[in-house]
Amino acid sequence: GQQVMQIPQYQHVQEGEDFTTYCNSSTTLSNIQWYKQRPGGHPVFLIQLVKSGEVKKQKRLTFQFGEAKKNSSLHITATQTTDVGTYFCAGSNFGNEKLTFGTGTRLTIIP
Amino acid sequence: GAVVSQHPSRVICKSGTSVKIECRSLDFQATTMFWYRQFPKKSLMLMATSNEGSKATYEQGVEKDKFLINHASLTLSTLTVTSAHPEDSSFYICSARDRAYEQYFGPGTRLTVT
Repeated sequence: GQQVMQIPQYQHVQEGEDFTTYCNSSTTLSNIQWYKQRPGGHPVFLIQLVKSGEVKKQKRLTFQFGEAKKNSSLHITATQTTDVGTYFCAGSNFGNEKLTFGTGTRLTIIP
Repeated sequence: GAVVSQHPSRVICKSGTSVKIECRSLDFQATTMFWYRQFPKKSLMLMATSNEGSKATYEQGVEKDKFLINHASLTLSTLTVTSAHPEDSSFYICSARDRAYEQYFGPGTRLTVT
């Protein structure tokens, strides 16, 4: 079945440093979504990417969808303590509404 | 954004009993809802897809007779964990999909079976 892996599994950064998580799917995706889950909370939708090579920005967050639509990345510039949490990518295949979640990257910030 | 609620948020039950978890879309209609399970520090694993007015579609390895799903209306889906055992203890999260195909997640239900 489809597998979605993320690296790194954990990332500790100093406040103000940048952070990147990478998402790789074993199959070509129709779209990819990103979610953030705070400790003790539930996943919160951040963004959806649909087009090959698409890049979207939300303030300090930059999301990319690979040309082959099998990988994606999330980059956070100048991290803040409010960025703490686990970031999940989730992809779906063409004609299939189900989301397969990535393994997640847990971000902790050192003040 | 769209709001999805879950009830209860936390439940402790004895082994052998059944527990019902409700998932409601509060301000939109959801023909499709999804039920996930999340173990501590792990990712979300899809258990089943709940479709209004029809039988749920279960993922491989998920026992449909143990995890009963009912999607009685466009705003409500329920998950019943029957004859719960300690290994069923987990964080159960539902999501509801709107017409734009975005999924909105409920706050989750933490089940502890003693």
